[in-house]
Amino acid sequence: GEDVEQSLFLSVREGDSSVINCTYTDSSSTYLYWYKQEPGAGLQLLTYIFSNMDMKQDQRLTVLLNKKDKHLSLRIADTQTGDSAIYFCAESETGANNLFFGTGTRLTVIP
Amino acid sequence: DAGITQSPRHKVTETGTPVTLRCHQTENHRYMYWYRQDPGHGLRLIHYSYGVKDTDKGEVSDGYSVSRSKTEDFLLTLESATSSQTSVYFCAIGVVGSYNEQFFGPGTRLTVL
Repeated sequence: GEDVEQSLFLSVREGDSSVINCTYTDSSSTYLYWYKQEPGAGLQLLTYIFSNMDMKQDQRLTVLLNKKDKHLSLRIADTQTGDSAIYFCAESETGANNLFFGTGTRLTVIP
Repeated sequence: DAGITQSPRHKVTETGTPVTLRCHQTENHRYMYWYRQDPGHGLRLIHYSYGVKDTDKGEVSDGYSVSRSKTEDFLLTLESATSSQTSVYFCAIGVVGSYNEQFFGPGTRLTVL
């Protein structure tokens, strides 16, 4: 089955950039997503990228996709304490609506 | 929140008892999903539904069953709860469109003693 991997923890200082990484194995991935989960809450979609793109920018968020290496990253510029959360990458295939999630990366922002 | 509610939000039960979790949506979406979230595993798909009475198994379906008799409700049943089913359960709806987004409910924290 599909395998999506992330490192479990990341700590950054407030104001610095955060980079959260994800690797996946499914070469037929069509969409790749970043979800954010705040404590005690469900997941919210932050951003997504289509597999024929290599970069997408949305305000403080930059998504980079290296399809050859099956590597996805999320960069958060000027990280704030409100960015502290668990971040999940996920992927889906063409014609399917099922998502496969990574293990999640807990981002801690130090004031 | 795409009109998704889950009930109950918290439940403590004993090993061997049946448990039913309910997911309710107000926006008439066809696709609904049940996931469980466990530390170090992320979210894993239990069962999903593509419409009324149309369900299928996900990655971790053993010990779980589902029913979808109405578009708006997707029920997850633990036939005989075990301690390994202690988890946070999330329901999601899928929007088939430009990028296949899923919207998540607030979750149900289940503890099996």
